[in-house]
Amino acid sequence: GAVVSQHPSRVICKSGTSVKIECRSLDFQATTMFWYRQFPKQSLMLMATSNEGSKATYEQGVEKDKFLINHASLTLSTLTVTSAHPEDSSFYICSVAGRLSSGANVLTFGAGSRLTVL
Amino acid sequence: GQQLNQSPQSMFIQEGEDVSMNCTSSSIFNTWLWYKQEPGEGPVLLIALYKAGELTSNGRLTAQFGITRKDSFLNISASIPSDVGIYFCAGTNTNAGKSTFGDGTTLTVKP
Repeated sequence: GAVVSQHPSRVICKSGTSVKIECRSLDFQATTMFWYRQFPKQSLMLMATSNEGSKATYEQGVEKDKFLINHASLTLSTLTVTSAHPEDSSFYICSVAGRLSSGANVLTFGAGSRLTVL
Repeated sequence: GQQLNQSPQSMFIQEGEDVSMNCTSSSIFNTWLWYKQEPGEGPVLLIALYKAGELTSNGRLTAQFGITRKDSFLNISASIPSDVGIYFCAGTNTNAGKSTFGDGTTLTVKP
């Protein structure tokens, strides 16, 4: 499967600032990447689909002006949390979709980025 | 939308015991996946199932894809402390990015 690298793993910022999280597909050219958000003790919530060379597709209820996604190359997608507020504090995880030799469609996840907004 | 019911929500077991958890869905999936997430990390794929009725093993882990395509279970035999974590089931059809995740089963193993 794909190898996905996410950076930074942890970030603490002041309220009102913007934070950029990078997601890199190290061994796989990914035309599509996915961004998830996870609150403590909860499941993963798909935020948006990042499309290389075009606009991201956002899930219902996710503010596209708040969570800016850029997918400028086949190996890099970035998520920018703009004007962050404490309620944006969460665990953000990116993923890449691939197909196993068995034929199964699976996601490979990055290690996640813990954002804390003070 | 599609929903997955995963149970149990949490388990506290003694090292060496066997574990069983399952997921049920109101709709059909073509693929069932089981992931494990450790604290501060992203989920890691354990087992992928893509044929109804399929039974697949990965070491001490065994998972089955229900014949109705609406359920799956994961068994862990002879648990060890490093099995601790949150286990998620996920169902998907043609678009892996649209996978639906269960709420997770938190496993605690006492040495």
